[in-house]
Amino acid sequence: QKEVEQNSGPLSVPEGAIASLNCTYSDRGSQSFFWYRQYSGKSPELIMSIYSNGDKEDGRFTAQLNKASQYVSLLIRDSQPSDSATYLCAVRTSRGSTLGRLYFGRGTQLTVWP
Amino acid sequence: ETGVTQTPRHLVMGMTNKKSLKCEQHLGHNAMYWYKQSAKKPLELMFVYSLEERVENNSVPSRFSPECPNSSHLFLHLHTLQPEDSALYLCASSQDKGWAEQYFGPGTRLTVT
Repeated sequence: QKEVEQNSGPLSVPEGAIASLNCTYSDRGSQSFFWYRQYSGKSPELIMSIYSNGDKEDGRFTAQLNKASQYVSLLIRDSQPSDSATYLCAVRTSRGSTLGRLYFGRGTQLTVWP
Repeated sequence: ETGVTQTPRHLVMGMTNKKSLKCEQHLGHNAMYWYKQSAKKPLELMFVYSLEERVENNSVPSRFSPECPNSSHLFLHLHTLQPEDSALYLCASSQDKGWAEQYFGPGTRLTVT
C-alpha cells in the first residue's frame, strides 16, 4: 500500500481558473502535511503546511485537511501560467521505526494555459 | 549564500569512478537529509543526519556513503555506481530531527555511464 497517493495528471486548467490538487494517505495517525511545488529541472519548494482539520489560506493557495477521510488538498485560485509545475504532497508519519518520516507522493503535474 | 546549496549541479561519471556530492545549509538547522528523485517515482529518502549523527539509513546500497562533518555540511560519496543510479540527488535540511518542514537544495543531476 502506497503511503501517499496523488493523481499524476497532467491537470490542465485555463488562466484564472481554480486548480484543485488532491492527495490521500494511509497512516491515520499522521499529523503534519505539506505541499511542495517543483518546477521542471528544479528542486521542491515548500509552499504550504497544514496540521489541523479545516482550511488554511495563504494568498491564492488554500490547503484543506480532512483527517477522518485521510485526505488533503491544495486549491490554487486565479491560476497563472507561472503556477505550471509538479505539486508534491508530503505526509509526516506517526508510527514505529519511521516515526516522523516524510513520505512523498509522486506529484501532480499542473499546466495553466493562457 | 542563503538556504541550501549543492555542488556540483551536474555530474557525469563512469561506473568505475569515485566522486562526491556536497551540500551546505546556511539556515542554522540541525538535521540534514539525502533524497534520490528518479523519473516517475516518489522522492526516496536515503539518509538522515541529526546533529552530525546518522539516524537513518534507508536500505541504501553501500556504493553510496554519507558523511556529515558538522551540522552545516553533508557529503555523499559515490563509487562503482550503476546506470540505474542516474537521478537527481537532493539535499534537504530541517530545524531539528523532529522531521519538521524540510527545505531543499537545488540538487545534483547525476548521470552514470
